[in-house]
Amino acid sequence: GAGVSQSPSNKVTEKGKDVELRCDPISGHTALYWYRQRLGQGLEFLIYFQGNSAPDKSGLPSDRFSAERTGESVSTLTIQRTQQEDSAVYLCASSSSGRYNEQFFGPGTRLTVL
Amino acid sequence: DQQVKQNSPSLSVQEGRISILNCDYTNSMFDYFLWYKKYPAEGPTFLISISSIKDKNEDGRFTVFLNKSAKHLSLHIVPSQPGDSAVYFCAASEASGTYKYIFGTGTRLKVLA
Repeated sequence: GAGVSQSPSNKVTEKGKDVELRCDPISGHTALYWYRQRLGQGLEFLIYFQGNSAPDKSGLPSDRFSAERTGESVSTLTIQRTQQEDSAVYLCASSSSGRYNEQFFGPGTRLTVL
Repeated sequence: DQQVKQNSPSLSVQEGRISILNCDYTNSMFDYFLWYKKYPAEGPTFLISISSIKDKNEDGRFTVFLNKSAKHLSLHIVPSQPGDSAVYFCAASEASGTYKYIFGTGTRLKVLA
């Protein structure tokens, strides 16, 4: 079935480089979320999209982080000038609109900043 | 400030017995709660949810209990099976806004055969 997919599955980069992470949500899902999970911690909300707009960016940890969504579909999360503390698994989730529609998660991108 | 807390990082249970996973929250605006299960190298998958208008929700072997006055919820798995071994995350959301989930740190459940 066509679940949420993310690419790459793993990314190793050097400190100071920019990285781009991609999320393909389930077709027709208007809501899209980015979370991250650092080692030994829970999932931390980053940003929410409704359609192509991002009404909630409150979880982005710094201005080095940005995200966009186009065509009410694909989303990319960009981290500029990566730091070692950015190392984490970045998870994308999508859902239908509505209060009680569950979020479906992708497998995540494991980012390692050396 | 951790608004959703899972104070037990790990739990081991014998196959066939009951597993009880606990979760506490501090934000009284939370009105919808969920449990997700996560296997290694996979994204979390939805397990069960409960609205604050209820105190119990059951789905097969899984039951979630909500105690609003104590700001506490628990997940019961009966009987536990080896395939239930995973990390379980409790999550909560508020009625207003973006419905984003606030997650706990997870409890690793190991069901021993």
